[in-house]
Amino acid sequence: DTAVSQTPKYLVTQMGNDKSIKCEQNLGHDTMYWYKQDSKKFLKIMFSYNNKELIINETVPNRFSPKSPDKAHLNLHINSLELGDSAVYFCASSLDRGRYEKLFFGSGTQLSVL
Amino acid sequence: AQSVTQPDIHITVSEGASLELRCNYSYGATPYLFWYVQSPGQGLQLLLKYFSGDTLVQGIKGFEAEFKRSQSSFNLRKPSVHWSDAAEYFCAVGDGDYKLSFGAGTTVTVRA
Repeated sequence: DTAVSQTPKYLVTQMGNDKSIKCEQNLGHDTMYWYKQDSKKFLKIMFSYNNKELIINETVPNRFSPKSPDKAHLNLHINSLELGDSAVYFCASSLDRGRYEKLFFGSGTQLSVL
Repeated sequence: AQSVTQPDIHITVSEGASLELRCNYSYGATPYLFWYVQSPGQGLQLLLKYFSGDTLVQGIKGFEAEFKRSQSSFNLRKPSVHWSDAAEYFCAVGDGDYKLSFGAGTTVTVRA
């Protein structure tokens, strides 16, 4: 019944590895997002997709690649992980992108790169 | 570019006491303003938002916020806090391109 679910909740990995985080929403929303929250709790948008189309791509290293197979899913793949990638990654969704719709957030994935 | 400042990193308040969290924004046009709350281990939840109209906005969980254009502020208030209000609170401003810029957050601790 979870509206926005992301897996895994915790991810511990070595530098240089490649990992993916998955996100699914069952709200019927058109727009999905990835946010990164750093150790100081600063929250910054990374990507946004509307109906499988990339609409926001902030200044994020090319090692980060979002993939949206359908409008209910937005996955985040990270290549060659670095220490600085350690953070909590939040997936979110909203009804559409045309207004400042309410964001529904997942519970986050805490990524620790060793 | 728009930005949000939350001057208080951490606030401790007694249960039953009032709470006010400060938020100042920088934005050239009419701002779209939001307050979100993050409970430990959870994602963010929208408390309230201001787009236009009445400058005093009511939200969920007994929270309200007041938009003051002259002070570029959007402070959040609650008359009487409950232990369950202990959380991280984020103020955010919309940038006109449907992206939100969040402040650094204020941690609220509630003591018995």
